[in-house]
Amino acid sequence: GAVVSQHPSRVICKSGTSVKIECRSLDFQATTMFWYRQFPKQSLMLMATSNEGSKATYEQGVEKDKFLINHASLTLSTLTVTSAHPEDSSFYICSARVGQNNSPLHFGNGTRLTVT
Amino acid sequence: GQQLNQSPQSMFIQEGEDVSMNCTSSSIFNTWLWYKQDPGEGPVLLIALYKAGELTSNGRLTAQFGITRKDSFLNISASIPSDVGIYFCAGSNTGNQFYFGTGTSLTVIP
Repeated sequence: GAVVSQHPSRVICKSGTSVKIECRSLDFQATTMFWYRQFPKQSLMLMATSNEGSKATYEQGVEKDKFLINHASLTLSTLTVTSAHPEDSSFYICSARVGQNNSPLHFGNGTRLTVT
Repeated sequence: GQQLNQSPQSMFIQEGEDVSMNCTSSSIFNTWLWYKQDPGEGPVLLIALYKAGELTSNGRLTAQFGITRKDSFLNISASIPSDVGIYFCAGSNTGNQFYFGTGTSLTVIP
């Protein structure tokens, strides 16, 4: 149980375009999902908390207008990188929890974004 | 976000040896999680800890929630080649957002 699926696994886009990444909880409902970003050989940095039916909560320093998050249902959250630039190239990983606060996070397999 | 420091940054060990790594925070946490990440994949949960002093095992892995609530430890006994990967701790003081440690890269030499 507790399977989180991300799509696409890899995407290459040109500078200035937008890219949408989907995160789905396959066998459970998730009112809250979390988006992380990871640069090569570095840790996971929390970008934002995605809340079903309400606005996402962004971590300090993360531009909400650049990283648009939509959590329209209990099983789907999307992250859209708008007007992508090469410095946005990174590994984006979503996670969700089964149950209440303090429950462990279960992660998707990540999306490798390359902006050319 | 919060900064969690892991030590050591990397380890090179012989197959069969035991491994110890730790994670420290400047803040008190009420939940600690340990994950393993293989290249190009998402982290996989190993152990979850919820109480200061708690000691929990998962096969050859044992993790402890430090008494000060500012640290946690992970031990791997009798390492095998498939233990290779990056190990991350993650902590939360709200139970909602989790912040990740800097990671420990483990290499097991057959």
